[in-house]
Amino acid sequence: AQSVSQHNHHVILSEAASLELGCNYSYGGTVNLFWYVQYPGQHLQLLLKYFSGDPLVKGIKGFEAEFIKSKFSFNLRKPSVQWSDTAEYFCAVNANNAGNMLTFGGGTRLMVKP
Amino acid sequence: GAGVSQSPRYKVAKRGQDVALRCDPISGHVSLFWYQQALGQGPEFLTYFQNEAQLDKSGLPSDRFFAERPEGSVSTLKIQRTQQEDSAVYLCASCIRSNTEAFFGQGTRLTVV
Repeated sequence: AQSVSQHNHHVILSEAASLELGCNYSYGGTVNLFWYVQYPGQHLQLLLKYFSGDPLVKGIKGFEAEFIKSKFSFNLRKPSVQWSDTAEYFCAVNANNAGNMLTFGGGTRLMVKP
Repeated sequence: GAGVSQSPRYKVAKRGQDVALRCDPISGHVSLFWYQQALGQGPEFLTYFQNEAQLDKSGLPSDRFFAERPEGSVSTLKIQRTQQEDSAVYLCASCIRSNTEAFFGQGTRLTVV
């Protein structure tokens, strides 16, 4: 079975700082990869996804992520965070032979200080 | 509606009580999922429907948990004889078809006292 690890549980940054959130997964086959964001009091929303093709994917609100197959990683980045990026971020994996279920990491809670 | 709707938003149940949680997926979405999210953790898969067929229920933690989607649209997750460890947020998600973006509802926060 696949698993997903997010190494940073809590991150505190000042506005304009750069962000990188780590995500590693364990599965040897073909995967689809996702980052979801949950703003306070709101539902999970898709930030970006990787199915195939260019391993550098761009999502909404200036976020991007890079799939590095050799490292089983899909780290999320943003060059300059804003106070409004304060939220919880979840990495998720869908392995092609595991039906359609998503396996989520434990989440990273990001706080951006104004 | 435009998104996935779940009701109730909050539910407090006494231990031993049965509860039913409802999910209205986005109209036309074939796939429907239930996830359980404990405090401070990521969502964990419970079960998956494609139309009315329950194709995967491997994540249901015990036989007290039961889900149905009889007409291929609205789904209900039922928990019998609730226990304190059932306290969590229950999330529903739907996809237009397999291997596409999942849209999540706001969840039902269940507290068992």
